[in-house]
Amino acid sequence: GENVEQHPSTLSVQEGDSAVIKCTYSDSASNYFPWYKQELGKRPQLIIDIRSNVGEKKDQRIAVTLNKTAKHFSLHITETQPEDSAVYFCASPPGNTGKLIFGQGTTLQVKP
Amino acid sequence: GAGVSQSPSNKVTEKGKDVELRCDPISGHTALYWYRQSLGQGLEFLIYFQGNSAPDKSGLPSDRFSAERTGGSVSTLTIQRTQQEDSAVYLCASSLYGTDANQPQHFGDGTRLSIL
Repeated sequence: GENVEQHPSTLSVQEGDSAVIKCTYSDSASNYFPWYKQELGKRPQLIIDIRSNVGEKKDQRIAVTLNKTAKHFSLHITETQPEDSAVYFCASPPGNTGKLIFGQGTTLQVKP
Repeated sequence: GAGVSQSPSNKVTEKGKDVELRCDPISGHTALYWYRQSLGQGLEFLIYFQGNSAPDKSGLPSDRFSAERTGGSVSTLTIQRTQQEDSAVYLCASSLYGTDANQPQHFGDGTRLSIL
């Protein structure tokens, strides 16, 4: 079945620096790749997603890149702010199934 | 409603008891998903409903877990004879559905289940 690996598990950056989180997936039929942000005790919130027909998508300070050949996708956060501190999860569905297989999460700490 | 609603927000019960968790999806969303998040862990897929199709139960960890969705809207996840390892946050999500099953999923606040 689909397997999603996420790295690093923890990431600490200085305010204003960039942060990059990477995920790899195993099912070559996967075509949808969302990223979720989860603050402590809160629900996961969708922050950006990308489909397999594009290689990059950007929304203000966040961007996602996709390499289908290598089966990996990355989240890029520029000009980080303390409020970006949270756990970030990548996910991918096996094929066109709807159900999401999540990575193990990355705890991002942005130091003021 | 404005978002996915789950109840109760917290549930504490004794080992061996049955529990029912409820999810009310976003109005108009035809797909509904249940996930489980153990402390400090990622989200684990449990079950998925889409319209009138048979649910995808491939993520249910044992036959003690079951779920139903009545009238294509509200869903109930039932855990029978609860065990301590069932302690987790149970999250529900919903999405629109089109020719592509992979649509943005929006989560509820979850039910924090604690088994004593």
